[in-house]
Amino acid sequence: ETGVTQTPRHLVMGMTNKKSLKCEQHLGHNAMYWYKQSAKKPLELMFVYNFKEQTENNSVPSRFSPECPNSSHLFLHLHTLQPEDSALYLCASSQTREGLSEQFFGPGTRLTVL
Amino acid sequence: AQSVAQPEDQVNVAEGNPLTVKCTYSVSGNPYLFWYVQYPNRGLQFLLKYITGDNLVKGSYGFEAEFNKSQTSFHLKKPSALVSDSALYFCAVRDRYSTLGRLYFGRGTQLTVWP
Repeated sequence: ETGVTQTPRHLVMGMTNKKSLKCEQHLGHNAMYWYKQSAKKPLELMFVYNFKEQTENNSVPSRFSPECPNSSHLFLHLHTLQPEDSALYLCASSQTREGLSEQFFGPGTRLTVL
Repeated sequence: AQSVAQPEDQVNVAEGNPLTVKCTYSVSGNPYLFWYVQYPNRGLQFLLKYITGDNLVKGSYGFEAEFNKSQTSFHLKKPSALVSDSALYFCAVRDRYSTLGRLYFGRGTQLTVWP
């Protein structure tokens, strides 16, 4: 619907597993973002990529590892997660021209860490 | 530092009545302001934005928002609420001088419209 797709939509993993979240945007945008949305907390910006280069890492633990192979794809690699990492992970993209930067969000991946 | 406050966690309104969801902001310089809506198990959907010009901005689904510089507010409004408007609403602000388009979101306001 928004031009941003995320897979999988739901993921259950144990603390010793390794998994990856995928995001793809079909909008020709140059910037992509990972957010974490937990219950009762504001949206937390995790990572920002601009033209494939990581420009921001908001003190995210190293058990989250982003990858941006090109401007259309963004991954979030997960390993040795904790139960408190359970949340909705949202991907977004935008065109960062001055003043025209609303972000378009994917549907999210609901992650449960057991 | 940029920030947004949504003072109400919940807003309840009867169908057909006007609704207001409040937002105040703090930003250095002139802001870009946004409203997003999130339905259950979905991502955020863009509703409207203020960049410059008229203080009253019209957006999707009959929503509008009024930018008030003196009160640093950007309240979301709709003249007649629908049950289908029930959702989580987020206000966001961007520093006009940010080249990365980074948004600062409020905590969200849960809107419930009852029949």
